[in-house]
Amino acid sequence: DAGVTQSPTHLIKTRGQQVTLRCSPKSGHDTVSWYQQALGQGPQFIFQYYEEEERQRGNFPDRFSGHQFPNYSSELNVNALLLGDSALYLCASSSTGVDTQYFGPGTRLTVL
Amino acid sequence: GNSVTQMEGPVTLSEEAFLTINCTYTATGYPSLFWYVQYPGEGLQLLLKATKADDKGSNKGFEATYRKETTSFHLEKGSVQVSDSAVYFCALGGNNRLAFGKGNQVVVIP
Repeated sequence: DAGVTQSPTHLIKTRGQQVTLRCSPKSGHDTVSWYQQALGQGPQFIFQYYEEEERQRGNFPDRFSGHQFPNYSSELNVNALLLGDSALYLCASSSTGVDTQYFGPGTRLTVL
Repeated sequence: GNSVTQMEGPVTLSEEAFLTINCTYTATGYPSLFWYVQYPGEGLQLLLKATKADDKGSNKGFEATYRKETTSFHLEKGSVQVSDSAVYFCALGGNNRLAFGKGNQVVVIP
């Protein structure tokens, strides 16, 4: 049973560029959440997708957007990258109505 | 809003020592509580959870009890191993999101 997978593993971009990160949820899960983890900090909630719609959003600007596909996989898009967007981006999946979330290995984004 | 506070600073201890990491929370309602562990260069792994007051979560020798009266969920292990070296995060679930503490790095010395 495959767990949560994310791609790519690492990514290097320059300021002003745009990036797309991808996530496939654990088998049987229909809800995907995205978190940003800055170095030495705890993860911060970006948003959650369920039934192909954004259900909850944390305190992140509109430069951060997402999408969920009919197969429950998800993308995180970040436009106009800033140096401060450098972080580990974590995807987590869960079943609707259940608090427990399972995390993928993350994508390490470096903005130069 | 919901928030989690973890004790400041890394924890360094010798193999077979007793480990305690403090976690307190602020929340409305009756949230679920979690401990996640992060090994170097990896994502977060669920270590244990508790869904209501007085529940005890346990896994791999780690334990934590959901204490509503003290709003705490402290993590304990009786005898740590070098392989327990990692960063540990306390988290609170509710409103379709997890709120994390800042984490504590645990270093176990042989």
